[in-house]
Amino acid sequence: KAGVTQTPRYLIKTRGQQVTLSCSPISGHRSVSWYQQTPGQGLQFLFEYFSETQRNKGNFPGRFSGRQFSNSRSEMNVSTLELGDSALYLCASSLRGVGQETQYFGPGTRLLVL
Amino acid sequence: AQTVTQSQPEMSVQEAETVTLSCTYDTSESDYYLFWYKQPPSRQMILVIRQEAYKQQNATENRFSVNFQKAAKSFSLKISDSQLGDAAMYFCAYGTYNTDKLIFGTGTRLQVFP
Repeated sequence: KAGVTQTPRYLIKTRGQQVTLSCSPISGHRSVSWYQQTPGQGLQFLFEYFSETQRNKGNFPGRFSGRQFSNSRSEMNVSTLELGDSALYLCASSLRGVGQETQYFGPGTRLLVL
Repeated sequence: AQTVTQSQPEMSVQEAETVTLSCTYDTSESDYYLFWYKQPPSRQMILVIRQEAYKQQNATENRFSVNFQKAAKSFSLKISDSQLGDAAMYFCAYGTYNTDKLIFGTGTRLQVFP
């Protein structure tokens, strides 16, 4: 089976712009979760989607949003980018959920905000 | 709130030797799951080992084993016969069946010397 894929792999944006990141889970996986990784804050949970429904959301401002499509592919959007949004954004997929199953991670999207 | 603490920012080990990475967590739940994930320089996170809290037996995966002490809320990872390819960041993570998110520790960078 193909692994989790994320596009694009690298992105450079300027403050105030918006960005959309994409994640394609492993075939058959219905749960997709997103994480932000920075040197200062480590790995922080953004949100999790299952069957097109957001089941949980981390402590991030409303500028961070996401969605999941019927084929389980997921997108996350960050509006009005700030310098502090520079990070590695990881998505992970699993069959049913996050807390109890092995998560399969994608290679990440590295976002640089100038 | 649940927390995960990794008190060793960096560890080093000689090839073929054994190293133990520490992880403690705080929770009031009785049923939960613990994970060790490895993040090599390529940045793609992969699962090393998984432990269900209701299981008293410590999980093992080849050269990797855990020492799970539920009462002490401790979950250490032992790597035996260390190899150069084991060099990576190691993250301890906590999850429960109904929280739909993983809580990660801050990570331990493991260096392996020949």
